Amino acid sequence: AQTVTQSQPEMSVQEAETVTLSCTYDTSESNYYLFWYKQPPSRQMILVIRQEAYKQQNATENRFSVNFQKAAKSFSLKISDSQLGDTAMYFCAFMKNWENDMRFGAGTRLTVKP
Amino acid sequence: DTGVSQDPRHKITKRGQNVTFRCDPISEHNRLYWYRQTLGQGPEFLTYFQNEAQLEKSRLLSDRFSAERPKGSFSTLEIQRTEQGDSAMYLCASSPGTNQETQYFGPGTRLLVL
Repeated sequence: AQTVTQSQPEMSVQEAETVTLSCTYDTSESNYYLFWYKQPPSRQMILVIRQEAYKQQNATENRFSVNFQKAAKSFSLKISDSQLGDTAMYFCAFMKNWENDMRFGAGTRLTVKP
Repeated sequence: DTGVSQDPRHKITKRGQNVTFRCDPISEHNRLYWYRQTLGQGPEFLTYFQNEAQLEKSRLLSDRFSAERPKGSFSTLEIQRTEQGDSAMYLCASSPGTNQETQYFGPGTRLLVL
């Protein structure tokens, strides 16, 4: 079974600084997809960024980028120039190729301080 | 607003009662997913539909749970004889219909069983 581990239950960062959230996963598959979702307080979950395992290039979306290390089964999220609106729970998720059962980690609560 | 909508947003019920939740996916999204999220945890996959067909069910979906998507549009999730352990946020998501498409989440229905 695939498991996703987020080892940092809570993190904080000063506004405009950079923060990195960690995620590791366990799988025997070679083709899969990884996601970071953001869940602001009392609001719905939205996709931040996704990575296809067959792609070597790390995905980026504006201030958000990932460090995908396939051999180490690591998928960290870097948030640059943190903004107050980045305060949220961040979930790392894994999905095998050709399947729909997305597995989530327990989440990291990120607080951006002014 | 053309996002995923869920109704009701909150439900309080007494143990042993039946409850039903509704999810309206994004228009023309063929796939619809149900997840359960307990406090402090990431979402857990329950089931998904491709149009009106329920193609996968998690072992978490006990006999007391039933989901339908009769016309391939909205979906309902019913819990019979609710138990206190059913208290959770029930999330619905939809995707366009090919594998590994991004899943778009609704705001969730928070259930409290007394």
